[in-house]
This record gives sequence, structure tokens and C-alpha cells, in this order.
Amino acid sequence: ETGVTQTPRHLVMGMTNKKSLKCEQHLGHNAMYWYKQSAKKPLELMFVYSLEERVENNSVPSRFSPECPNSSHLFLHLHTLQPEDSALYLCASSPDRANQPQHFGDGTRLSIL
Amino acid sequence: DQQVKQNSPSLSVQEGRISILNCDYTNSMFDYFLWYKKYPAEGPTFLISISSIKDKNEDGRFTVFLNKSAKHLSLHIVPSQPGDSAVYFCAATTVNTGKLIFGQGTTLQVKP
Repeated sequence: ETGVTQTPRHLVMGMTNKKSLKCEQHLGHNAMYWYKQSAKKPLELMFVYSLEERVENNSVPSRFSPECPNSSHLFLHLHTLQPEDSALYLCASSPDRANQPQHFGDGTRLSIL
Repeated sequence: DQQVKQNSPSLSVQEGRISILNCDYTNSMFDYFLWYKKYPAEGPTFLISISSIKDKNEDGRFTVFLNKSAKHLSLHIVPSQPGDSAVYFCAATTVNTGKLIFGQGTTLQVKP
């Protein structure tokens, strides 16, 4: 298995639920990223991890909590989300944070009821 | 305040002709630019990139041009094929940050 894999592909949750999105990369990369794509808006960077250390938090509300236990796995823990958080959440990885292409997973489509 | 803009939401071209997708940026500190293609229900796929020290990069049917003075880049696809029909995103970043700033995307339709 290669590339960047995200699970689940679809998630419907209530505003009081707690859920987690998972991302796994099999590319041997050291940097991982979470992006959000809302309807009719560009992809927005949420978090950047380099060598399992968070190096960027792009003013994301605390109801989104990332975790990077090792360089192959990245989680996004969700708690008390709002309807406006419904979006496509994309994970990406790259060899490091230098000027190199990032490789994306297929995303998790999240709907908040 | 959008730093990367794709002003054409959609583009339609005939198979075999050239497709030209445009992108403008405002931040003069950007030094690396990328184009991604996205099919429905899939993540963006990297196509081609260019460093600010170059003004052209070519890979098969895809060529990216960078005009730093105009803060403009474009993606040329020639010849266009029906399988190229997708949403195309341009993105930009500054050195060693890993922070990609994306445009809104342009939907390309290539008609047989």
C-alpha cells in the first residue's frame, strides 16, 4: 500500500459528539499537514507537523485538536463542532517542509448536524 | 485577503487544442509555485511546479510559466485531452515553511 490514506471517507456527527479523523502515509515523509476545504472556498491550511512536532497552527479553533504520534500517522480529534465546520478535510505529506510537492489523501467529507 | 487568485471559475476547450489556466498572486515573498489537479471524490494530485528562479518548466504536455514582475503564472496543457477535465488549483509558498496557499480553482472541461 502506498500514498496517503484517510479514514473515514465520510462522517456525519452531531455537535456534541467526539470523533477522530485518521491519516496514514506510506511515503517515508517527515512532514504532514491538515487542510480544510469548505464549499466555494480555497483549501485552507490548518496544521503543519514536522518530525512529529507541530510547527504551525493556522488560527484554528481549539475544538480541532491534532495529534501526530509518529511520522506516518496524523489524527484530527473533533469535539463540539459547529455546523460551519462541515467541509472536506484533507491530509497531505511531503519529504520535509522545503519547497517540494505535498501529496494529498482523498479526504474525509464531514457533515455536522 | 486572498493572496492567490484564479479569476476564471471555468474553462472549456476542444480536444487537441491548448488549455491555458491562469493564476495571480500578491505576495512577492512567494518563491515556489505548484499546480494540482483534482477529480471529484479524490484528493488533489500534484502536476507540476516551478521555482521563482525560473520562468518556465515543462513536463510532457504540461508547461508552467512564471512572470514574477506581473505576479502571474499560467499552466498550458497541449494537446488537451478529455481525461484532463478536472478542477485545477494553483498554489504558492515561501521557502521552507510548507505553508501552501491555494487559489479557488478553475474547472476545465475538454470536449471530444
